[in-house]
Amino acid sequence: EDQVTQSPEALRLQEGESSSLNCSYTVSGLRGLFWYRQDPGKGPEFLFTLYSAGEEKEKERLKATLTKKESFLHITAPKPEDSATYLCAVFYNTDKLIFGTGTRLQVFP
Amino acid sequence: ETGVTQSPTHLIKTRGQQVTLRCSSQSGHNTVSWYQQALGQGPQFIFQYYREEENGRGNFPPRFSGLQFPNYSSELNVNALELDDSALYLCASSSDNRNTIYFGEGSWLTVV
Repeated sequence: EDQVTQSPEALRLQEGESSSLNCSYTVSGLRGLFWYRQDPGKGPEFLFTLYSAGEEKEKERLKATLTKKESFLHITAPKPEDSATYLCAVFYNTDKLIFGTGTRLQVFP
Repeated sequence: ETGVTQSPTHLIKTRGQQVTLRCSSQSGHNTVSWYQQALGQGPQFIFQYYREEENGRGNFPPRFSGLQFPNYSSELNVNALELDDSALYLCASSSDNRNTIYFGEGSWLTVV
C-alpha cells in the first residue's frame, strides 16, 4: 500500500536549536516530493519540490533533502515564527498528492 | 499569495443538505484538485479536473461531485451531507508540469 509517514508527530525546540523532520514513503514511480507549511486554520503553503535522490533545496532556515526512501526537512537555528505544521506529500503515477499526517513544530523563545 | 482563492471561508450546514464550494485557480493553471482535511490529519485527495474533465478520483462516494469551467475555476458539490463531512476543504491548482502545486486557504464546513 502506498504510504507516507512523517516523524516525529510533534517537536518542541528552543529558539536556535537545529533539528530535522523526517518523511518516509513507500510508493513506486515517484514523480516528486513536496513540502508544505501549514499554519492553524490556513491552507498549506508551498515550500519545496524535490524530484530525484540526492537533490537538495534551501529557503531561509529550511533545507530539504531527498533519498530513494525518505526526505528530511532540516531547520537551522529556528525562530518562534517557524512554528507550524510541516506536511510532506508525494506525487506519483496517479496524479494525486498523498500526504503524511504532518509534524507539528513549536519553537519557544 | 498563491493566487488560489476559495469561497466561502466558513459555513455551517445541516445533515442531509447540499453544499457548493468554489475555487478560482492561479492564472495559467489548468489543473484543479480538491482535498478534504479533517482535524489533525493530512489532506485527502477527492478528485482532479484537467481542462474541464475529471481525470482522477480518490476514495470518496459519488455524492461528492465537481465541475471545472472554461476559465479553469472549479466547484465542489457535496450532496446529502453527513456529520463526518465536517472538515477543511482545500482547492489546489497547478500547471501541466506539476512542478508547483498551490493551495487556497480552504473552506471550513461544519455539518450539524
